[in-house]
Amino acid sequence: DGGITQSPKYLFRKEGQNVTLSCEQNLNHDAMYWYRQDPGQGLRLIYYSQIVNDFQKGDIAEGYSVSREKKESFPLTVTSAQKNPTAFYLCASNGVTPYGYTFGSGTRLTVV
Amino acid sequence: AQKITQTQPGMFVQEKEAVTLDCTYDTSDQSYGLFWYKQPSSGEMIFLIYQGSYDEQNATEGRYSLNFQKARKSANLVISASQLGDSAMYFCAMWSSSNTGKLIFGQGTTLQVKP
Repeated sequence: DGGITQSPKYLFRKEGQNVTLSCEQNLNHDAMYWYRQDPGQGLRLIYYSQIVNDFQKGDIAEGYSVSREKKESFPLTVTSAQKNPTAFYLCASNGVTPYGYTFGSGTRLTVV
Repeated sequence: AQKITQTQPGMFVQEKEAVTLDCTYDTSDQSYGLFWYKQPSSGEMIFLIYQGSYDEQNATEGRYSLNFQKARKSANLVISASQLGDSAMYFCAMWSSSNTGKLIFGQGTTLQVKP
């Protein structure tokens, strides 16, 4: 079945470390998105990509980086510049119509 | 600016009763769509229902229906015959033609169903 796979499910980061969250989709969607969710809050957009080798900053891009070298993959790196990275991270993808929006199961990142 | 507002941080409903979760939106686009998602404690986002701005009928999906009032810019979710498994966080989100496919989310409403 088609879908989005995020890994790992849980991730622990030490202060000053960079960590990379994986997001892979087999839906043949052109667009991919990264959202951050803090406890009891809605989702906020970090980065998005509408085509391979191109991506744009969302509302809270500082301290994060992404790449889009393949259509299927959109990894997110949380850098040491992100001062408060503890959050739940959701990856999503979409095709031509908005009705096809699909989310992964998320990665819960904790700074230790 | 485009915005989604959910004014009910928490709601309680008795099992088997209906409940309405409020959502108002703001956009100047003519082409847009409203989503409702359910997020249980596991964190996954479960798609419930979608309403396009040009859809003439209110959307329905099983026990879920969307009360779409375009002039008032509201898109309330109605859950009929609540079940204990409906206890979760619910998010309203908006897609619009000028927003390059991004979704804008509200703050969410936590629903608790009482037995």
